[in-house]
Amino acid sequence: SQKIEQNSEALNIQEGKTATLTCNYTNYSPAYLQWYRQDPGRGPVFLLLIRENEKEKRKERLKVTFDTTLKQSLFHITASQPADSATYLCALDMEYGNKLVFGAGTILRVKS
Amino acid sequence: GAVVSQHPSWVICKSGTSVKIECRSLDFQATTMFWYRQFPKQSLMLMATSNEGSKATYEQGVEKDKFLINHASLTLSTLTVTSAHPEDSSFYICSAKKWAVPYEQYFGPGTRLTVT
Repeated sequence: SQKIEQNSEALNIQEGKTATLTCNYTNYSPAYLQWYRQDPGRGPVFLLLIRENEKEKRKERLKVTFDTTLKQSLFHITASQPADSATYLCALDMEYGNKLVFGAGTILRVKS
Repeated sequence: GAVVSQHPSWVICKSGTSVKIECRSLDFQATTMFWYRQFPKQSLMLMATSNEGSKATYEQGVEKDKFLINHASLTLSTLTVTSAHPEDSSFYICSAKKWAVPYEQYFGPGTRLTVT
């Protein structure tokens, strides 16, 4: 069966440290993988997109890796801040932006 | 910018009644709009995809006669939940794409529906 798994437990880290979130999937072959941030009671906000032929993508303090052999993406936030506390969703892009399949998300809590 | 609004932000309705949710792209014309549903602590589930002036495409398992989607213009899509039941209570989120940015979806703030 098709499955997307993100860290089921909340991730608690200290301010200034690097947060690493995992997204694993089975029985999908996405062309792209996207990461979103969702705050409580709000809609997701796009963060980064990585293509299947890209190994790594960076944007300011964010870094995403994509390993299509392992069927895994890692999402890193360096120098984390309390304002980074949110739920982070990975989404498999199955149709060039027209069909996103979301994971359940990982709650990140950054403590000062 | 790319701002998407939804109205209402929350609604309570009685079982058996219908409720309409609006989704608007405020500062761009949306080539495609999407409707998602999210249950607590679960992932967003795509319900349907709609393009202006054409019928919506529903995902497997979504009843098209229960969840009516109308995409009347390039900036407005509506979702009507007909004959709502308590199990329809959920967080409904719309998103929109714009022509110039093909891969990114811009999400609205969501509508919390509670059916009593």
